[in-house]
Amino acid sequence: DAGITQSPRHKVTETGTPVTLRCHQTENHRYMYWYRQDPGHGLRLIHYSYGVKDTDKGEVSDGYSVSRSKTEDFLLTLESATSSQTSVYFCAISEGRGGVLGEQFFGPGTRLTVL
Amino acid sequence: QKEVEQNSGPLSVPEGAIASLNCTYSDRVSQSFFWYRQYSGKSPELIMSIYSNGDKEDGRFTAQLNKASQYVSLLIRDSQPSDSATYLCAVITGANSKLTFGKGITLSVRP
Repeated sequence: DAGITQSPRHKVTETGTPVTLRCHQTENHRYMYWYRQDPGHGLRLIHYSYGVKDTDKGEVSDGYSVSRSKTEDFLLTLESATSSQTSVYFCAISEGRGGVLGEQFFGPGTRLTVL
Repeated sequence: QKEVEQNSGPLSVPEGAIASLNCTYSDRVSQSFFWYRQYSGKSPELIMSIYSNGDKEDGRFTAQLNKASQYVSLLIRDSQPSDSATYLCAVITGANSKLTFGKGITLSVRP
């Protein structure tokens, strides 16, 4: 998985609780992304980062926040989890060679269930 | 809304046949195109990238890009049961260069 780990790999939580997912990379890639994957919707971008402390929203960012204090770590936080956030979450990284956001490589995923 | 469309599938082919997977995109200025393979319960894996019109071959895989018609396709020659997976088309769209994915098509290769 191109030196990308995600933790936890599985989590069950209750509605209203905060949840933080961690993505860690050893590739020193500049760009990092959080996606969610749901049946019928495919992969959808939540947030992404183009450098330490530099982040931006994706198409489904409501209810999520992110932080990146180090190149290697990108955290996704659900401030108050809802059942609609039950999903599989993937982190991805990209080198962004030549200024073009090219090939992205994915972590193993986190399966989150919100009861 | 920049869109990437793939045939809904599923697609079933016999072992040894050519599997043809198609994808269309709406953003005319898109420049970078990718095919990912995803086995059930696993993460997407990049298998092909293509940036210029024409064909790009890598082993049994050939990616084809036609920017005028706004489609990109993936051909898998001599299909094997191990090719059974969901294939995701992805396109860099818009000025902020985000990656937009199609919903994927599931390929089943029958022994």
